[in-house]
Amino acid sequence: KNEVEQSPQNLTAQEGEFITINCSYSVGISALHWLQQHPGGGIVSLFMLSSGKKKHGRLIATINIQEKHSSLHITASHPRDSAVYICAVDKIIFGKGTRLHILP
Amino acid sequence: NAGVTQTPKFRVLKTGQSMTLLCAQDMNHEYMYWYRQDPGMGLRLIHYSVGEGTTAKGEVPDGYNVSRLKKQNFLLGLESAAPSQTSVYFCASSYSPPGWTSTDTQYFGPGTRLTVL
Repeated sequence: KNEVEQSPQNLTAQEGEFITINCSYSVGISALHWLQQHPGGGIVSLFMLSSGKKKHGRLIATINIQEKHSSLHITASHPRDSAVYICAVDKIIFGKGTRLHILP
Repeated sequence: NAGVTQTPKFRVLKTGQSMTLLCAQDMNHEYMYWYRQDPGMGLRLIHYSVGEGTTAKGEVPDGYNVSRLKKQNFLLGLESAAPSQTSVYFCASSYSPPGWTSTDTQYFGPGTRLTVL
């Protein structure tokens, strides 16, 4: 069974800081998904990637298939980025999430 | 487009009661999923569907049944609710199946908060 580990579990940072959230998995996958869960509970898809790097606005996601590792970066973080960020593999196994809190 | 909708948003049941959660999507997606989310745990897959009339078990299927009679609807049933089924339930849909290299987006419903007393 694939295990998905995220780090850190919780992260508090000042507005403007560069944020990195990590995701590691134990078995080879086809695609990795980064999701954002807002304080109200809604889940939004950020990225689905199977190789390389994707960028959308201030968010960047990378994946290293050989090392079974993915990172989500947020540049110029803002309080509205405060949320739980979740990685998932193949739409089946999910990490426990990283709770991000950006202070103004 | 409404995307993925779930009915109801909240529900309180007594142990032993039954209920059905409805998920509907208007994106013509083949693949639909039911997950549960519990404090301190990641989302866990209960059942999923690969098309109208076809379902498969996920990681935690016990105590739940599902049906996909129409492509746009995916129903999750609890025949005899137990306190362990207190959770937030999310439905999702996607164009491509689990395990594909396709990087299309998965769309989530707003969730149903279920409490079993």
